[in-house]
Amino acid sequence: GENVEQHPSTLSVQEGDSAVIKCTYSDSASNYFPWYKQELGKRPQLIIDIRSNVGEKKDQRIAVTLNKTAKHFSLHITETQPEDSAVYFCAASARFQKLVFGTGTRLLVSP
Amino acid sequence: DGGITQSPKYLFRKEGQNVTLSCEQNLNHDAMYWYRQDPGQGLRLIYYSQIVNDFQKGDIAEGYSVSREKKESFPLTVTSAQKNPTAFYLCASAGREVNVGELFFGEGSRLTVL
Repeated sequence: GENVEQHPSTLSVQEGDSAVIKCTYSDSASNYFPWYKQELGKRPQLIIDIRSNVGEKKDQRIAVTLNKTAKHFSLHITETQPEDSAVYFCAASARFQKLVFGTGTRLLVSP
Repeated sequence: DGGITQSPKYLFRKEGQNVTLSCEQNLNHDAMYWYRQDPGQGLRLIYYSQIVNDFQKGDIAEGYSVSREKKESFPLTVTSAQKNPTAFYLCASAGREVNVGELFFGEGSRLTVL
């Protein structure tokens, strides 16, 4: 089955810096890669996702890149703000298969 | 107001007691999921159901049971066989296939076994 590894487990940046979180997956059949943000005490919410037919997707200050050959994908947050502080989870799934999550990255943005 | 509702938010139980966590959605989603969240371990799938009256084990199903008698409801029972039940439990729902769109989560239920 699918296995997703996520790094780093914690990331501290200064406000305005960029943050990058990386994930690798094991199943070459995986074709859907969402990212979820979980603020303290709240539910996880989807912030961006990418499918295997594209290599990059952007939404304002966040972007996701996918390298299918290397089986890794990354979340990029530019111009970080304190409200970006949260735990971020990557995930992967193949068609008709269940979603497998990474172990999470705690991002702390200091003013 | 559409959404997914979990109850109770906090629950305390003694060892050896079974506990049932409620999950209700009014999003008309076919698929529903239960995840367990422990610090440093991400979200681990307990059970999922893609259609009424059918469900499958996830990665950590031992000591848990579910039912799916209605499309809107997917209750999770934490049995006395679960060796370490203290955790944060998240219910989620999605369209027929999870990878065609967003997974919607409830606010979670925190279970503490004393």
